[in-house]
This record gives sequence, structure tokens and C-alpha cells, in this order.
Amino acid sequence: EPEVTQTPSHQVTQMGQEVILRCVPISNHLYFYWYRQILGQKVEFLVSFYNNEISEKSEIFDDQFSVERPDGSNFTLKIRSTKLEDSAMYFCASSTGTENEKLFFGSGTQLSVL
Amino acid sequence: AQSVTQLDSQVPVFEEAPVELRCNYSSSVSVYLFWYVQYPNQGLQLLLKYLSGSTLVKGINGFEAEFNKSQTSFHLRKPSVHISDTAEYFCALEKTSYDKVIFGPGTSLSVIP
Repeated sequence: EPEVTQTPSHQVTQMGQEVILRCVPISNHLYFYWYRQILGQKVEFLVSFYNNEISEKSEIFDDQFSVERPDGSNFTLKIRSTKLEDSAMYFCASSTGTENEKLFFGSGTQLSVL
Repeated sequence: AQSVTQLDSQVPVFEEAPVELRCNYSSSVSVYLFWYVQYPNQGLQLLLKYLSGSTLVKGINGFEAEFNKSQTSFHLRKPSVHISDTAEYFCALEKTSYDKVIFGPGTSLSVIP
């Protein structure tokens, strides 16, 4: 089965630093997403991306966050100035957008902000 | 707005016993419903999904779920659980096949030997 690949699996950073989380979606997918899961809490939607632009974003996705698909294969999430509360597992996901196809999730990047 | 409720945050069950994990949803429009499983230190894996048609949906690993529109429920069941089923289970919904997925808070299933 095809996979969504996320790197790194763990990222430790100092508060105030910029981080970039990387994802390689499945090659024929058109819709891309970032979700996050704070430890012990539910999975929360951050942003969706289609046709090289953001299609929807949540309240969490403030000006400190940005997404990019720089080269047609990678999909990145940048946090400009990390805060302690950004510590979470970040999941990338992709789909074709068609009804009978499922959403594929990556295995996540655990971000720890110290 | 849509929302998902999972009434049980933790469900302990003995090995080979049946289990039901409850899920209720709220939506003013038709939605697609899902159950995802998250094994310790792993990502999210789709167990099953309901798009339309038969209200009983069979998924992987012997799980099934029943969609009940009148009760706005989508409960997950397995007739006999194994130790390997110990995991976090998330009920989720989406409005369309490309919309965001809204997750419930999760139910931690612990299978006791």
C-alpha cells in the first residue's frame, strides 16, 4: 500500500525557533492536510491545501504557521516562532478527494518545544 | 457545525470478550463516518468507513460498525478482542471526500489477558 512519509519522526527545538516539518504525500493525491495531536488529546485539524493554495484552516493555524508545496512532491508545515504549546504530534495526510478513496495519514512528527 | 462524541474515554475488557466502543455525532448535513485506530507510538490507521448504503460496515481486524441515523450513532464492535487490539480508537466524520476530518476525543481500549 502507498504511504505518506513524514520527516523527521522526532524534532526537538528551543522556544522561539523556527521549525519545518516535512511530508511526502502519495504521488497522485491532490488534497493535503496537516493535523496535530497534543499528548492525551484528540486529533485536531490544522489546514487543508489544494491546487497550491490553502482551502481551509482552523483557528489554531495562526500567522505563526505556514504551508508550502515547494517542488510538487514535498508538503511542508513551518512554525515561525515555536511556543511551548506547539509541542504535539503533527500528522500529514493526503487523498485523491474521490468518494471511495480513503485519507492516508503519515506516521507523524513528534515536536517537542523546550 | 459538526462534532463527534465518544462517551467512554477508557474501556478495559478481557481477552476474547466482546467490546463495543460508542460514538455519537452531530451534523445538520449528511456526513461520512470513520473509525481510526492508533497503536502506541504509531500513526492513524483507518479501520472502516461508512459512506452510504448498508448500515453495517465491516472493517479490518474483525471490527464492524453500525450506522444508526435516527440515533446519530456509529458504534464500533468486535465479538472477541485480542491483546493486540489494545490501542486508541477515534471516531471521525467528514462532510465530503475532500473536507477536513473531525475527530472525536478517542477511546482507549485496554485488553486484559
